[in-house]
Amino acid sequence: GAVVSQHPSWVICKSGTSVKIECRSLDFQATTMFWYRQFPKQSLMLMATSNEGSKATYEQGVEKDKFLINHASLTLSTLTVTSAHPEDSSFYICSAMGTESSPLHFGNGTRLTVT
Amino acid sequence: AQTVTQSQPEMSVQEAETVTLSCTYDTSESDYYLFWYKQPPSRQMILVIRQEAYKQQNATENRFSVNFQKAAKSFSLKISDSQLGDAAMYFCAYRSAAGTYKYIFGTGTRLKVLA
Repeated sequence: GAVVSQHPSWVICKSGTSVKIECRSLDFQATTMFWYRQFPKQSLMLMATSNEGSKATYEQGVEKDKFLINHASLTLSTLTVTSAHPEDSSFYICSAMGTESSPLHFGNGTRLTVT
Repeated sequence: AQTVTQSQPEMSVQEAETVTLSCTYDTSESDYYLFWYKQPPSRQMILVIRQEAYKQQNATENRFSVNFQKAAKSFSLKISDSQLGDAAMYFCAYRSAAGTYKYIFGTGTRLKVLA
């Protein structure tokens, strides 16, 4: 089956620093990748849609200068949380889609804690 | 805009029994996909079952089946012979067949399986 690898699984960083999260589709080419944020006991909140070779499309209310998304290849997308603050602490999940008719496959998530 | 509603925040089922999780959605589109995803304590999102809107036949995957009522915009998930490993959050999701391919998730139903 389709595998999406997300790294790191958890990270602790100090306030003001930047953190990069990688999302890789291991056995398929991901034309579209999505980044979600999930608060405890809540649903997934879409942050942005990422297409290979083009700028990401951010959802309303998501600061694109703070959450930098790069989709440089058909198998890799990265989310960089810049100048992280404690309120950015959350669970971030990436997902990838191959063809138009294929379902969404998820990474195993990254728990970010900003101290 | 499309919406997905899961009206049951929490459900319980006895092991080996059957449980049905409800999901309703709202859309003006005629062609779309519906999904059920499972999120166990590991927080890995796992695809349980998918349904194409143009198909009248209800999807089935082993112990999991759906009752898709297009006119009523209802998409419930039935889990038969419930197992302890079925305990998880279950999210219903909608995706357009065209356009941005964004997934819209419901708020989730926490399923507890009682031994």
